[in-house]
Amino acid sequence: NAGVTQTPKFRILKIGQSMTLQCTQDMNHNYMYWYRQDPGMGLKLIYYSVGAGITDKGEVPNGYNVSRSTTEDFPLRLELAAPSQTSVYFCASTGDMNTEAFFGQGTRLTVV
Amino acid sequence: LAKTTQPISMDSYEGQEVNITCSHNNIATNDYITWYQQFPSQGPRFIIQGYKTKVTNEVASLFIPADRKSSTLSLPRVSLSDTAVYYCLVVSLTDSWGKLQFGAGTQVVVTP
Repeated sequence: NAGVTQTPKFRILKIGQSMTLQCTQDMNHNYMYWYRQDPGMGLKLIYYSVGAGITDKGEVPNGYNVSRSTTEDFPLRLELAAPSQTSVYFCASTGDMNTEAFFGQGTRLTVV
Repeated sequence: LAKTTQPISMDSYEGQEVNITCSHNNIATNDYITWYQQFPSQGPRFIIQGYKTKVTNEVASLFIPADRKSSTLSLPRVSLSDTAVYYCLVVSLTDSWGKLQFGAGTQVVVTP
């Protein structure tokens, strides 16, 4: 049982480049989330999804886009990378709101 | 979404009990209280969840008074490996349905 898998684990981007952070889960969870975590800070919710085809903004959505075409996958897209997007990104999923959420191992992104 | 307030940091010695109190004054009737633990360079991990009174598992206990405006996570006889950030979340099944938002958390440092 793989749980929540994020790829890549590390990435260095140049300013203005674009990339997609991949997240997939094999638990048939409806709810999926993307967070960013800056050094020494808590997690900030970027986007979330309550099911395939449904996404909504979190606290810090600017500069990011998401899609949810399947239950398993929830990719996060950065179109024009900026140094302010240097952070660790975590994807998570949960089957129901009152059950535990499972997190991926994170993607460490540096924009230079 | 109910706002949570918890101490920024707490220090403890090995073998002691650590109690972290979280305030959530505007918690709604259908909201649950959930705690997560995060080690450096890892995603958060679910510890415990409760609705009212007391919940205990192999890791921790969660005490919730009758008014539910606060909750206390109790870690018995901590060890060095309990050094982590602990997050208190209020999970709403009605308002802001689907959102899972983290605050700043409490950094717990356990020393020998």
